[in-house]
Amino acid sequence: DADVTQTPRNRITKTGKRIMLECSQTKGHDRMYWYRQDPGLGLRLIYYSFDVKDINKGEISDGYSVSRQAQAKFSLSLESAIPNQTALYFCATRGWAEETQYFGPGTRLLVL
Amino acid sequence: SQQGEEDPQALSIQEGENATMNCSYKTSINNLQWYRQNSGRGLVHLILIRSNEREKHSGRLRVTLDTSKKSSSLLITASRAADTASYFCATVDGGGADGLTFGKGTHLIIQP
Repeated sequence: DADVTQTPRNRITKTGKRIMLECSQTKGHDRMYWYRQDPGLGLRLIYYSFDVKDINKGEISDGYSVSRQAQAKFSLSLESAIPNQTALYFCATRGWAEETQYFGPGTRLLVL
Repeated sequence: SQQGEEDPQALSIQEGENATMNCSYKTSINNLQWYRQNSGRGLVHLILIRSNEREKHSGRLRVTLDTSKKSSSLLITASRAADTASYFCATVDGGGADGLTFGKGTHLIIQP
């Protein structure tokens, strides 16, 4: 089984809808991250979390919120989706003593 | 904002040849990492070089870092068809902020 899983893998939604993307990990890592990737671009950091009680904004947090329900789960919400939030979303994890991040398979989101 | 640029944006070579990709960044860094992304999939960590290192090897990979020029290069020797992917450099901020800052990537195609 994959160490970092994301659900759903693909989602189509309409402008104004609320949507949640979920990430789970079995690596036992305390740090979790949400990134988005737009075509032809690298990833940009949305939010990150050091543990359940520590949430931090990244470069592009506007329009997004997150919830760290447990050490293993980190959810990303779009409160009112807009078309320019159409992108590929990645979750990643990192152990506190490591520098490498481990990425999930991604969620492809289309906002109509 | 993106940390910098990868150069070239796209590269097509014959199997068996060497592939070189370059990355520039803007701020002071703690370390620089290279990741590979197969089409639309999650990223896989390849190699990490710390700010006080100048060169590092891992199998067919060789990475260099020039902090005075704020640049890095990734060399893949004896390329294989399976090396076809997008390659991203990512930096960890030297000021202590968490999360990776990615370049826009180089799309590498290995012709059989």
